[in-house]
Amino acid sequence: DIQMTQSPSSLSASVGARVTIACRASQSISTYLNWYQQKPGKAPKLLIYAASSLQSGVPSRFSGSGSGTDFTLTISSLQPEDFATYYCQQSYNPPWTFGQGTKVEIK
Amino acid sequence: EVQLVESGGDLVQPGGSLRLSCAASGFTFSNYWMNWVRQTPGKGLEWVANIKQDGSEKYYVDSVRGRFTISRDNAENSLYMHMNSLRAEDTAVYYCARLGDWNYDLWGRGTLVTVSS
Repeated sequence: DIQMTQSPSSLSASVGARVTIACRASQSISTYLNWYQQKPGKAPKLLIYAASSLQSGVPSRFSGSGSGTDFTLTISSLQPEDFATYYCQQSYNPPWTFGQGTKVEIK
Repeated sequence: EVQLVESGGDLVQPGGSLRLSCAASGFTFSNYWMNWVRQTPGKGLEWVANIKQDGSEKYYVDSVRGRFTISRDNAENSLYMHMNSLRAEDTAVYYCARLGDWNYDLWGRGTLVTVSS
C-alpha cells in the first residue's frame, strides 16, 4: 500500500496568516492527490482534487500544488471557518490511502 | 439536497453482527460507485469497501474481506454494509462516500460502531 505522510501533525496560526501543509507519498503518484477538510463531528469535505484543481464551491484562498511524491496545500489567508483538520489522499493505486491529518488551530 | 445519511451504528459484542445503511438523495445513485470509509483515532481514515454501479464488482480492504459484505439497492437509493465476526479493531465511525473522478466527492456524516464487551 502507498503510505501518505503529512507534516506538520498540527499547527497554530492566526486569522489572516498564510498556512502551508505538506503531504509526501511513499512512491510516485503523479497528480492523483486529493485534499479534504474535516470539522469536528462532520464528514470530510473535498477541497482539492488532482493535486491542484479546486472543487466547486471551495474558496479560492485554498490551493494545491505538487506532483510525484511531494504535495502542498496552501491557505492564503486563514479565516475563522478554516480551523479544522486537513487530510491528503492518494487515488493512484488501490487501496486509496489517506495521510494522518494536520490539525489547524487558532493561535 | 444532495446528501448521504448513514444509520445502523451501535454497540455490539466481539463476534457479533451489524448492518449499516446509507440513504442517498438528490442525485442519480445508480450512476456512481459507492464506498464505505471508516475513521478511528488511532488509524485515521481507512477505505473499507466499494461497489460498482450495478453491484457486479465489489472490493474490500484485506482486514475485513470475508467478514464484511457491501451491497446496494438502486431502486431504494441505498447502500449497505453487512458486518459479521466483529472485532474490537472494527470500532470506528463509518462513512458512506460517493466516488467522483478519482476522489470521494460526497460523504455522509457517519455512524458510530463500537465493538466491546
